[in-house]
Amino acid sequence: GQNIDQPTEMTATEGAIVQINCTYQTSGFNGLFWYQQHAGEAPTFLSYNVLDGLEEKGRFSSFLSRSKGYSYLLLKELQMKDSASYLCAFMDSNYQLIWGAGTKLIIKP
Amino acid sequence: GAVVSQHPSWVICKSGTSVKIECRSLDFQATTMFWYRQFPKQSLMLMATSNEGSKATYEQGVEKDKFLINHASLTLSTLTVTSAHPEDSSFYICSARDLWSDINEQFFGPGTRLTVL
Repeated sequence: GQNIDQPTEMTATEGAIVQINCTYQTSGFNGLFWYQQHAGEAPTFLSYNVLDGLEEKGRFSSFLSRSKGYSYLLLKELQMKDSASYLCAFMDSNYQLIWGAGTKLIIKP
Repeated sequence: GAVVSQHPSWVICKSGTSVKIECRSLDFQATTMFWYRQFPKQSLMLMATSNEGSKATYEQGVEKDKFLINHASLTLSTLTVTSAHPEDSSFYICSARDLWSDINEQFFGPGTRLTVL
């Protein structure tokens, strides 16, 4: 079967670093996506990993280990505007996205 | 970058009426568009996958006669909520996949907030 799991909520301090983990199980895999969703808005694309390793994009980095079914999103130099839900999703063999429930990130001053 | 628009942004209607939501890819061609529903504090729930020129594929539990989807062109898909009831009140979001994208990412529209009275 297929499943994907990420923490429901995390809290971090402005200026700090936070890592949001995501684990998944699937027989067919075509990449792992991270999206950011602010309350009341649609998701916006953050990153894509299809090979093992770290992809860095400014303050955000995403890591993938296919053998472990594991990914994380790393956010550095946290800003208040980073308060949002972060959704991980993997693309299955049918190129359909299977979504996690999202991690609500709360940034405190 | 790829832009997806949705119209209307929000709609309030009476129970029993039908509501049409449009999803357009503005600067790219999308053979596949997706319709999601999201209830407050919950994750995205895929309702159906819409392919240009063919019938939509609905997820289990989604009534195809209630949620009519038409994908008549490479840039436009519509979702019609027929005979809407208060329990259909939700945030409806479409996304589109770029035909020529290397990584098949989905670009999301801004969403439509539907309130059925």
